[in-house]
Amino acid sequence: EVQVVESGGGLVKPGGSLRLSCAASGFTFSSYSMTWVRQAPGKGLEWVSSISSSSSYIYYADSVKGRFTISRDNAKNSLYLQMNSLRAEDTAVYYCARAGAGSSGYVFPNWGQGTLVTVSS
Amino acid sequence: DIQMTQSPSSLSASVGDRVTITCRASQGINNYLAWYQQKPGKVPKLLIYAASTLQSGVPSRFSGSGSGTDFTLTISSLQPEDVATYYCQKYNSAPFTFGPGTKVDIK
Repeated sequence: EVQVVESGGGLVKPGGSLRLSCAASGFTFSSYSMTWVRQAPGKGLEWVSSISSSSSYIYYADSVKGRFTISRDNAKNSLYLQMNSLRAEDTAVYYCARAGAGSSGYVFPNWGQGTLVTVSS
Repeated sequence: DIQMTQSPSSLSASVGDRVTITCRASQGINNYLAWYQQKPGKVPKLLIYAASTLQSGVPSRFSGSGSGTDFTLTISSLQPEDVATYYCQKYNSAPFTFGPGTKVDIK
């Protein structure tokens, strides 16, 4: 069974940093692109960042470019999101999602339960 | 960047009604369009990809159509368990933008 489990959320002050982790199991992690999607309280889904299977391709939303860094460790079946210079508007539940295969590469059939990041003084 | 819009933003329909949600891309995206369902307090669930391909395990009352810039998600007979917010998402190229969502409830 495909499983992705996020961790690392919490309360952080504006301007602070946080590192999210996503532990994957039940599939060959090194064969799939991975993605972070966030959802602010009461709001819609916002795509944040994606990374290809071998880290060759990395994409960011404009809202986080230059502040967030996505990375992965295929040996540890883990995905990361380093978040710096955090702002109040980054407050959200952050979901880790596995992408689909082949031409469905950036469709997201598998999601974690999410980890809440709250940016507040 | 390509913008995604959805209409309506919310709707209320009776059990058994046919429900249609529209998603529009500001530029053509071929058929690189997915639909997700998010029930209150739950994780998003993939319903349809490639505009019209039903994800495994999704009830057949859900269907998708469209190509280019205009897409629709149809629920042929609305059920109480379909109360949710529905999002479209483009995936032809980054950014892999979601639409703003359509909230569906029962009248």
